[in-house]
Amino acid sequence: QKEVEQNSGPLSVPEGAIASLNCTYSDRGSQSFFWYRQYSGKSPELIMFIYSNGDKEDGRFTAQLNKASQYVSLLIRDSQPSDSATYLCAVIGGAQKLVFGQGTRLTINP
Amino acid sequence: SQTIHQWPATLVQPVGSPLSLECTVEGTSNPNLYWYRQAAGRGLQLLFYSVGIGQISSEVPQNLSASRPQDRQFILSSKKLLLSDSGFYLCAWTGGPQETQYFGPGTRLLVL
Repeated sequence: QKEVEQNSGPLSVPEGAIASLNCTYSDRGSQSFFWYRQYSGKSPELIMFIYSNGDKEDGRFTAQLNKASQYVSLLIRDSQPSDSATYLCAVIGGAQKLVFGQGTRLTINP
Repeated sequence: SQTIHQWPATLVQPVGSPLSLECTVEGTSNPNLYWYRQAAGRGLQLLFYSVGIGQISSEVPQNLSASRPQDRQFILSSKKLLLSDSGFYLCAWTGGPQETQYFGPGTRLLVL
């Protein structure tokens, strides 16, 4: 089992809709969780992090964490074509190292 | 504010040639530094990390090596490149809350 798993997609969402990206992790002791956005040919950029169970909102983005289910998600409201990118989930696991999922490719259709 | 630089941005090298990629961080001291590789259409693979000058931990056995000669400088090297070394090389540093990692712009390496 991979340490951090994401559906590779592609996930296609119409403009203005809610995009939902999911991630599961295997290390029950993980404490910090991150979402990065990576445009084609560019380096990953941090969208947000979360470390407490529940929801964390930042503008159109909401991260949701459920440690009991070992599940973290990212919701993007009012999706825009500029949101089209690959979204990487990352988890701080053992030895305080950041472990990345394979990423989910998101396409927002105008 | 903190800034991370990488160069070169793009590199085309023949098989068997040496490699040196450089990463520098500005605006912080004693950062944890990381080298990742991302093959085309793949996830991020951690290659090396460093918690201080001269301190290097290797994650994956390979023909690459890393060095940290100065506090804010991290170098990735190879004596002889392989075709499989092609990829997007990313340097990152850790700072801020929850050990957040921030990435440099990356170096795209093509080995022919």
